[in-house]
Amino acid sequence: SQELEQSPQSLIVQEGKNLTINCTSSKTLYGLYWYKQKYGEGLIFLMMLQKGGEEKSHEKITAKLDEKKQQSSLHITASQPSHAGIYLCGADTGSGNTGKLIFGQGTTLQVKP
Amino acid sequence: ETGVTQSPTHLIKTRGQQVTLRCSSQSGHNTVSWYQQALGQGPQFIFQYYREEENGRGNFPPRFSGLQFPNYSSELNVNALELDDSALYLCARRGWGGDYGYTFGSGTRLTVV
Repeated sequence: SQELEQSPQSLIVQEGKNLTINCTSSKTLYGLYWYKQKYGEGLIFLMMLQKGGEEKSHEKITAKLDEKKQQSSLHITASQPSHAGIYLCGADTGSGNTGKLIFGQGTTLQVKP
Repeated sequence: ETGVTQSPTHLIKTRGQQVTLRCSSQSGHNTVSWYQQALGQGPQFIFQYYREEENGRGNFPPRFSGLQFPNYSSELNVNALELDDSALYLCARRGWGGDYGYTFGSGTRLTVV
C-alpha cells in the first residue's frame, strides 16, 4: 500500500527565517495536496499538485512536485507566527480524484517571534 | 469558514454507546468522504459516499457506517464505541471546477470514556 513520509516531524524557526517541509511517497503520486491544520481543528487547503515538475505559490508558500512525482516540498519564505501549525501532505490513491486520500503524519511548525 | 459544517464540535460518549456525527455543505456536491484523525497522526480514510451510496471504504469495521442524503448532507454512525474510537472526525467534499482540492470541515472531537 502507498505510504507518505513527512520530514521533519517538527520544526521550530525564528520569525523571518525560511523553511522547507518534505513529503516522500512510496509510489507515484497522482495528486498531491498540502493542508494546514491548527491543533484540533479542520484542514485548510493550501495547494494541489498533479504534474511532474509542477510548482505553485500562494503568498509566501511555494509547493513543488518532482519530475518523478514521488516527492513534494513545501517552502515558506520569511516565516511569520501566523504560519505556525501542522502541515499535512495528502495523496490520491488512484489515478483520479477518488476521494480516498492518504496522509503523512504531519509536520508541526512553531515560529518564534 | 470552509463551507463544510460539522456538528457537534465536541462529544463525550461511554464505551459501548452509539454516536451519530453530521456534516453539511453550503454548496452541493455528490461526493463526501469521512476521516478519522487520532492525536498526533494524519487523517485516516473511513469511507466515501457518492450519490447516496458507499463508494470506497478504508480499513474500518462495519460498526462504522454512513448515510448521504439528497441535500448532500451526510452522517457518520459508530456503534459499540470503543476507547480507541476517541479521535477527531473530519468530513470532506470535493472542490468544484478547477479546484479539485478536498474541502474539510472543522471536525467533531469524540471522546470515549
